[in-house]
Amino acid sequence: NAGVMQNPRHLVRRRGQEARLRCSPMKGHSHVYWYRQLPEEGLKFMVYLQKENIIDESGMPKERFSAEFPKEGPSILRIQQVVRGDSAAYFCASSPDGTSGRGPFFGPGTRLTVL
Amino acid sequence: AQSVTQLDSHVSVSEGTPVLLRCNYSSSYSPSLFWYVQHPNKGLQLLLKYTSAATLVKGINGFEAEFKKSETSFHLTKPSAHMSDAAEYFCVVSGTGNQFYFGTGTSLTVIP
Repeated sequence: NAGVMQNPRHLVRRRGQEARLRCSPMKGHSHVYWYRQLPEEGLKFMVYLQKENIIDESGMPKERFSAEFPKEGPSILRIQQVVRGDSAAYFCASSPDGTSGRGPFFGPGTRLTVL
Repeated sequence: AQSVTQLDSHVSVSEGTPVLLRCNYSSSYSPSLFWYVQHPNKGLQLLLKYTSAATLVKGINGFEAEFKKSETSFHLTKPSAHMSDAAEYFCVVSGTGNQFYFGTGTSLTVIP
C-alpha cells in the first residue's frame, strides 16, 4: 500500500503565475487535509476535504487559494497569482473514513518557491 | 476547543543523554494525540500515537510518550539521544470533525 503521494516535490513559480499541487491519498482513504509550513513556523491547517466536498476551509486564505478533491483523481491545491509570501512547504495528509484515532498519514510535501 | 502548546521551540542535548520534548494540550473531550518528526528537507513521519489505550505509548526509534490527563500533557522522551534524532518534532491533537491541531514544533539539536 503506497503512502500519500504528492507531486511535484519541488515547484518554482514566478510572481503572478499559478501553482497546482497534487495529492493522492493512501488507498482507501477518503479524507484529505492540506497544511502549510512557512519558514520558521509550525504547520498550519488550511483545508479538510472529503470526496467532492470541502468540510472545513477555515485555514485557507480568502483569496487566490482553492482546493478540490474530485470523485476521481487526486486532491488539488491551487494557488493563483502567487506572491513571494506563498513560498512554503505544503503538506497533504489522508486518513480513513471518520476515525480520528488513526493517522493522519502525511505525504512528503511540495516545496513551493516563488521568485 | 482543541489546541496544542509545545513549550520549547528549541531543545539541545548531548549525544547519549536523555531527550524530553514537552507538549500540553487542551481538549473538551478525550483526544487522540500524536507525535510527528520532520527531518530536514523530508516529509512528516509518525513517531507514535495515543488513542485511549495504554497511557505509556512506545514509538519508533526508541521514543515514547506518556499521556497524563491530570496534567493535560503528552511529553515525548527518549533515554539516549542519537545524532540522527536531530529534527523538528510536532505534537498533534485530534479534534471534532476529524480535525487535527498542530503545535508550532520543537527543533531538537544533538551535540556530538
